[in-house]
Amino acid sequence: DQQVKQNSPSLSVQEGRISILNCDYTNSMFDYFLWYKKYPAEGPTFLISISSIKDKNEDGRFTVFLNKSAKHLSLHIVPSQPGDSAVYFCAASTRSNTGKLIFGQGTTLQVKP
Amino acid sequence: DAGVIQSPRHEVTEMGQEVTLRCKPISGHDYLFWYRQTMMRGLELLIYFNNNVPIDDSGMPEDRFSAKMPNASFSTLKIQPSEPRDSAVYFCASSLEGANGNQPQHFGDGTRLSIL
Repeated sequence: DQQVKQNSPSLSVQEGRISILNCDYTNSMFDYFLWYKKYPAEGPTFLISISSIKDKNEDGRFTVFLNKSAKHLSLHIVPSQPGDSAVYFCAASTRSNTGKLIFGQGTTLQVKP
Repeated sequence: DAGVIQSPRHEVTEMGQEVTLRCKPISGHDYLFWYRQTMMRGLELLIYFNNNVPIDDSGMPEDRFSAKMPNASFSTLKIQPSEPRDSAVYFCASSLEGANGNQPQHFGDGTRLSIL
């Protein structure tokens, strides 16, 4: 029973183009959604987050969109850079158990020069 | 600033042996988390502590796994006896708050555990 799903295991884009990473969830009780980036042999690092009361949050080249009716969120990276090549995880939590992050399986992004 | 520090970075041992993984959270962080990453199950939460008290251990796979946090600056995850299926990367993370976006979790670089 996977509550957070990233259905695309991998994505390849050209440098300078937009990268769109998608995430679906099943639990309507989720209050917070986060994106983490992970390089090989390192731990995940926090990238950007969004509260369920918002539908968009932007931080530099990174924008997260939340569509609650569709239970879908996406991460847009514009413009994509080779250094963005990593595994991206989306994660979600509920206010009633704020310590518990549920992670998706991850999407490997490759940005080609 | 020192991040979350995990030791050892790699551990190879034979099945049946006791394994102890260690974590030093970021100073001042009230929450500490233990995760396991495998190909099959992805990144899953095993247990987390708030102010050194275990809050949710529902992710601990079985009685062979135990975690302690004797003080605010140190935690251990112990597997006894270890089995080959325990082979995974184990991450420790800490945060000022739970899991919301204002105070996200900071992860260590993990311990790669191989049980032969």
